[in-house]
Amino acid sequence: DGGITQSPKYLFRKEGQNVTLSCEQNLNHDAMYWYRQDPGQGLRLIYYSQIVNDFQKGDIAEGYSVSREKKESFPLTVTSAQKNPTAFYLCASSPTGTGTYEQYFGPGTRLTVT
Amino acid sequence: GEDVEQSLFLSVREGDSSVINCTYTDSSSTYLYWYKQEPGAGLQLLTYIFSNMDMKQDQRLTVLLNKKDKHLSLRIADTQTGDSAIYFCAESFNQAGTALIFGKGTTLSVSS
Repeated sequence: DGGITQSPKYLFRKEGQNVTLSCEQNLNHDAMYWYRQDPGQGLRLIYYSQIVNDFQKGDIAEGYSVSREKKESFPLTVTSAQKNPTAFYLCASSPTGTGTYEQYFGPGTRLTVT
Repeated sequence: GEDVEQSLFLSVREGDSSVINCTYTDSSSTYLYWYKQEPGAGLQLLTYIFSNMDMKQDQRLTVLLNKKDKHLSLRIADTQTGDSAIYFCAESFNQAGTALIFGKGTTLSVSS
């Protein structure tokens, strides 16, 4: 089955620690995205990547970093510089050749930092 | 600037129709989308409409687009308890690989 996987589903960390969230897709999509979701806030874009070895900052990139070494993978690191890291993180991917630009989402990772 | 607005809550009885509304500000939007999110899960793409269309129907779902008023709606016929979820409206622009702009979501509550 083709799809997007995110692991783990729940993640707990102490303040001051960096943590990396995994996102893998086998849909052969070129573009991948990371969003953050807080209650009542909708989705806010953290980073996106249109192609391997290239990525751009979204609206709330401060305190986060990403890499895109492989087409299938787009890991997100939440650094200790992120002031409010507790949130639900969603990864998405989209095809770039169809002209319809729809995004497909993974199941999400809920990060709790105490 | 880009902005997508939705009402926050909608409550309906099982069997009734639900209508979820959305307004957007950027007239250069190319596609408009509806996503569904169940508790603790990711977003599921329900349907999308190209900006030069007025209506799209897909089984129990009907999307209406009024481009002049920049108003999009999602009608769910014969609403079921399993339709209870958060529904997000989103817009995209004529460029592959760019992010979607999402509304804050409408929570649909269906009572039996």
